[in-house]
Amino acid sequence: GESVGLHLPTLSVQEGDNSIINCAYSNSASDYFIWYKQESGKGPQFIIDIRSNMDKRQGQRVTVLLNKTVKHLSLQIAATQPGDSAVYFCAEKKGSNYKLTFGKGTLLTVNP
Amino acid sequence: EADIYQTPRYLVIGTGKKITLECSQTMGHDKMYWYQQDPGMELHLIHYSYGVNSTEKGDLSSESTVSRIRTEHFPLTLESARPSHTSQYLCASSEFPQGDNYGYTFGSGTRLTVV
Repeated sequence: GESVGLHLPTLSVQEGDNSIINCAYSNSASDYFIWYKQESGKGPQFIIDIRSNMDKRQGQRVTVLLNKTVKHLSLQIAATQPGDSAVYFCAEKKGSNYKLTFGKGTLLTVNP
Repeated sequence: EADIYQTPRYLVIGTGKKITLECSQTMGHDKMYWYQQDPGMELHLIHYSYGVNSTEKGDLSSESTVSRIRTEHFPLTLESARPSHTSQYLCASSEFPQGDNYGYTFGSGTRLTVV
């Protein structure tokens, strides 16, 4: 079936390094993508989004890249900090459907 | 700060009990959702509502029920809790298609344990 999934379940980086978290999606009709961060004991928090008519969007220390040719989404975190340690989820929306489909999370651990 | 509130945060309850998980939002969002999430795992949609008196079942089959009598309130009820219902339940709301952001605002979740 169609789904959103992540390549790696865990990622460990050193403080100050850049992090890249990947996500593959299979539905070419998806027109909107979001990255969420979920810290332990909390609900997911919105990080950044991108529409399918874009291939890159930047926020504060974060960049999302969208490659529609290979149906791949990535989240880049610059100068990763201990506070970035969390589970990261990508999610997709298809057309006028108001529901988001979430992929499996990637646990990011930042080592001091 | 949270504009969507879930209570209780933690609940341990015996098998066969009826429980209601509360979710309220103060943002006036029409759309509300309930997701079930096992620790470290993906979120599965179990119920959603696009407005008052509108409720639908989600992608994951669930024995729970929901109601939407008021815009701000979207409670989830389990008539007879079982150990298989042990999980985290996340409530979310959204204003899309209004606004620039199609994302959800999530509550902090209710961690339910059925013994």
